[in-house]
Amino acid sequence: QIQLQQSGPGLVRPSQTLSLTCAISGDSISTYNVAWNWLRQSPSRGLEWLGRAYYRSKWSNDYAVSVKSRITINPDTSKNQVSLQLNSVTPEDTAVYYCAKGEHTAFTIWGQGTMVTVSS
Amino acid sequence: QSALTQPASVSGSPGQSITISCTGTSSDVGSYNLVSWYQQNAGKAPKLIIYEVTNRPSGVSNRFSGSKSGNTASLTISGLQAEDEADYYCCSYAGITTWVFGGGTKLTVL
Repeated sequence: QIQLQQSGPGLVRPSQTLSLTCAISGDSISTYNVAWNWLRQSPSRGLEWLGRAYYRSKWSNDYAVSVKSRITINPDTSKNQVSLQLNSVTPEDTAVYYCAKGEHTAFTIWGQGTMVTVSS
Repeated sequence: QSALTQPASVSGSPGQSITISCTGTSSDVGSYNLVSWYQQNAGKAPKLIIYEVTNRPSGVSNRFSGSKSGNTASLTISGLQAEDEADYYCCSYAGITTWVFGGGTKLTVL
């Protein structure tokens, strides 16, 4: 049974970097034909896809235009986990952040979610 | 404002059928048979219930079905049950490696 376990701080100061980790169990992060995504959900922005990492002979990334200049999603194959870094955060980045496995161009398995508040 | 338009709320009585619409554009829903639907209970992560417009993941009740016509996708829940009360979100691939979501529909089982 595949499970995604998220971890990371729930409070980030404005202009700092938001960092979250998603540990994958029951599956390999390097599996072909899947992608490891980060999404977020807030009352003001709804559900929003942020980006993904995937392995097709080498690791690649795709990012949403809205965050492309500030986001990095990195796989850690030694720990079978994927991380999210979002730089220069503002209160607009306050949201519940989710990692999710991507298959069939859908998000098949989700992490439990992490509420991140950006505030001084 | 979300990219895909859903009704804010729908309701139905146990045993009835309801349909939730999801309207996009020719750049997303209309261009790709890559619409998915998610069920979200309060305080929980979304759960995939339909992918590629009509397909159900293993373990999802056959009371859930999806369809698409032009720029509008639909989720139908038949034989409504109290446990179906939740928020429902549609999602579509929108090209150039991006996905867009609807604003969500709150389903109330009367």
